[in-house]
Amino acid sequence: GESVGLHLPTLSVQEGDNSIINCAYSNSASDYFIWYKQESGKGPQFIIDIRSNMDKRQGQRVTVLLNKTVKHLSLQIAATQPGDSAVYFCAENSNYQLIWGAGTKLIIKP
Amino acid sequence: DSGVTQTPKHLITATGQRVTLRCSPRSGDLSVYWYQQSLDQGLQFLIQYYNGEERAKGNILERFSAQQFPDLHSELNLSSLELGDSALYFCASSVGLGLETQYFGPGTRLLVL
Repeated sequence: GESVGLHLPTLSVQEGDNSIINCAYSNSASDYFIWYKQESGKGPQFIIDIRSNMDKRQGQRVTVLLNKTVKHLSLQIAATQPGDSAVYFCAENSNYQLIWGAGTKLIIKP
Repeated sequence: DSGVTQTPKHLITATGQRVTLRCSPRSGDLSVYWYQQSLDQGLQFLIQYYNGEERAKGNILERFSAQQFPDLHSELNLSSLELGDSALYFCASSVGLGLETQYFGPGTRLLVL
């Protein structure tokens, strides 16, 4: 999952609904995955991480699911709020480097 | 507040010029990373330093260079600037070599006119 392209994929969600943001990663040997949130004009902020020996990890209102069979990662945000509006990046740790996904822009509809 | 500081916040300069961006990592963090983010794009990894030594290199142009000083702060030098170098430049830090969370600074917004 290298960062490519001119336009970010966008997900529009109704306020109060659950959001699911998906990410495909590239290296089956990657053993650590992180989700970051980037609000407009700010640096990325750590949300949640998961190691490859787990398939699910829960935080406050967020859950990360890891499917190693299909190299897929998802971030679920429960009861989406206006403050969740941001670009969300997944990153995989491969050979001690973070490989970043392209990012998904989450838009909250009132 | 992540604990990572970057200066300056904004920088406006002309093509052909040279600028230096500065980063102070979180207290105790030995690794510093530099990223470039163009408008509405993802993060492009440029370079990583660990305890003063270059650790990993990404898509960093030859016109760009970086270093990490004994006090662990880092500088990113951008020279012979082009219009396309206009972007947000982020610094991040982590405790060790990279198998852990990176904490990002607020970024430096560079505009090349």
